Amino acid sequence: DQQVKQNSPSLSVQEGRISILNCDYTNSMFDYFLWYKKYPAEGPTFLISISSIKDKNEDGRFTVFLNKSAKHLSLHIVPSQPGDSAVYFCARSGGSYIPTFGRGTSLIVHP
Amino acid sequence: DAGVIQSPRHEVTEMGQEVTLRCKPISGHDYLFWYRQTMMRGLELLIYFNNNVPIDDSGMPEDRFSAKMPNASFSTLKIQPSEPRDSAVYFCASSLGDWRTQYFGPGTRLTVL
Repeated sequence: DQQVKQNSPSLSVQEGRISILNCDYTNSMFDYFLWYKKYPAEGPTFLISISSIKDKNEDGRFTVFLNKSAKHLSLHIVPSQPGDSAVYFCARSGGSYIPTFGRGTSLIVHP
Repeated sequence: DAGVIQSPRHEVTEMGQEVTLRCKPISGHDYLFWYRQTMMRGLELLIYFNNNVPIDDSGMPEDRFSAKMPNASFSTLKIQPSEPRDSAVYFCASSLGDWRTQYFGPGTRLTVL
């Protein structure tokens, strides 16, 4: 029973355009949502997080939006670069420390 | 500064054999996590330790899986006996205080024939 769901296994975007990665969740008892990025043959790396008391967090080209009424989380990358091509995982944390990850979305940014 | 180190990077074994995966966390980190990644289930947390003590192992799939952390610089994940459905990439991660920012190792790709 996945409490965070990434329904799009892949996304293809042209360089310079916006990439939007989506994540839905089913339980509202979360403190933080996180995005991790993973290149092939490497472990995931932390990208950006957002507290459940906020609706937006920005870090350079990366912005995470939290829509609590829709139970929806999204990551915007603007502008997209070929080096952004990777698998992106959303994750959540609730009252315990146990993080739960989605299945990931593979982003391909074409030059 | 070295990151999280995992060994081996690749392991191919036959069903029924014992498999031991190893992890060296980043020095000074007090949390250690073991994850498994599969196409079907994505990234799953198996177990995590705080100051070498197992805190939650509810993600461990069954009794064939066990994990230890004898000291702050070493942890093992053992599967005995291994089965083909255990084939996956196993990641170790560590963090300091703030568990949200976890540093992952490169993973061990396990294939059980």
